[in-house]
Amino acid sequence: DIQMTQSPSTLSASVGDRVTITCRASQSISNSLAWYQQRPGKAPNLLIYKASTLESGVPSRFSGSGSGTEFTLTISSLQPDDFATYYCQQYNTFSPFTFGPGTKVAIK
Amino acid sequence: QVQLVESGGGVVQPGRSLGLSCAASGFTFRLYGMHWVRQAPGKGLEWVAYISYDGSRVAYADSVKGRFTISRDNSKNTLYLQMNTLRTDDTAVYHCAKVCPGNYPQPFNSWGQGTLVTVSS
Repeated sequence: DIQMTQSPSTLSASVGDRVTITCRASQSISNSLAWYQQRPGKAPNLLIYKASTLESGVPSRFSGSGSGTEFTLTISSLQPDDFATYYCQQYNTFSPFTFGPGTKVAIK
Repeated sequence: QVQLVESGGGVVQPGRSLGLSCAASGFTFRLYGMHWVRQAPGKGLEWVAYISYDGSRVAYADSVKGRFTISRDNSKNTLYLQMNTLRTDDTAVYHCAKVCPGNYPQPFNSWGQGTLVTVSS
């Protein structure tokens, strides 16, 4: 099975900061990588798929990059709504659709 | 707009069974693969099971294989998860999720709010 890791597990930042989260796959997944945002008590929300394609309706301050085994999610200017937990997910193989352990973005 | 509403959660003793449902609306249910994803309290997301648009293909996480069964009724726009031989580590909020359009595999672009399953004696 493909394993996913994320770093950092938690980061503290202020409104307006540029934030970068890294996700690594245990083997190459090409660009079959998605990013989700989950606010407390809510369902996850798809932000980015195919490593860098922004889902419809997602603000342009979110961007994704990478391929193969290393990927990044960047928030160019952190907004109050962005304090949440972010998960990467690989969907390259039939099974399982592995999620990373999550990165919590907290208010500094 | 897309709506996914889970039901059937509750408190159940270890070793017992429970069935979950996910009522779908706002899209052509019979055209999309569906998943179940769970989240234990305070923990991350864990993929549980997948079913293709027509039910011909299913897949399970190793942690539930042989105990859980995913199914769907396209005439009722409903997804199901039958959970047998439940264990305490199955305690979680269970979400159903719809896949993005396109050839398999695709990420999940709509999620239900989830239903809580608590396995406890």
